[in-house]
Amino acid sequence: NAGVTQTPKFRVLKTGQSMTLLCAQDMNHEYMYWYRQDPGMGLRLIHYSVGEGTTAKGEVPDGYNVSRLKKQNFLLGLESAAPSQTSVYFCASRSWDKGRGEQYFGPGTRLTVT
Amino acid sequence: AQTVTQSQPEMSVQEAETVTLSCTYDTSESDYYLFWYKQPPSRQMILVIRQEAYKQQNATENRFSVNFQKAAKSFSLKISDSQLGDAAMYFCAYRSALPGANSKLTFGKGITLSVRP
Repeated sequence: NAGVTQTPKFRVLKTGQSMTLLCAQDMNHEYMYWYRQDPGMGLRLIHYSVGEGTTAKGEVPDGYNVSRLKKQNFLLGLESAAPSQTSVYFCASRSWDKGRGEQYFGPGTRLTVT
Repeated sequence: AQTVTQSQPEMSVQEAETVTLSCTYDTSESDYYLFWYKQPPSRQMILVIRQEAYKQQNATENRFSVNFQKAAKSFSLKISDSQLGDAAMYFCAYRSALPGANSKLTFGKGITLSVRP
């Protein structure tokens, strides 16, 4: 049981390049989330999904797009990377469990934009 | 909107001693969940303890316990018999329990705990 996995673990991009971060979960969870973590800021929600084919904006969505074509996968895209997007990105998933289910986090992706 | 505040950026504790990490939050909701997450140098987010707002009893998990003061909107974490492996960043987090809520977590900025041998 792998839980939540993220690909890649590390990446360096140049300003203006694009990339996609992949999150996969094998727990059949309905909810999936993308957060970013910056020093002194805690984790902030970028986008989330409450089910296959649905996505919604979080607290800091600008510059990112997401897709949830399959229940087990949640993709985060950067169309034109900027240095301000240098961060550690976490994916999380959660089951619909009458509100009680905890969020399970992936190991994180460290992205540097130069 | 809900906010979570962790006002102490760093704390230090002697091994085997007890330490308390503070957290306050602001919400107009009556039903919600509060969490403490641990993030060691590996970056993995690990759930330490969870408290449901409708429960008056403070949650306990082995050496970890909370002091939940709903009226004061305070949620502190007590670590007893501190161990070297407890050194990490700790995040306090809030989640609404309202039906239809997206169940996202709102995090505090975190506190770095160091343990002195």
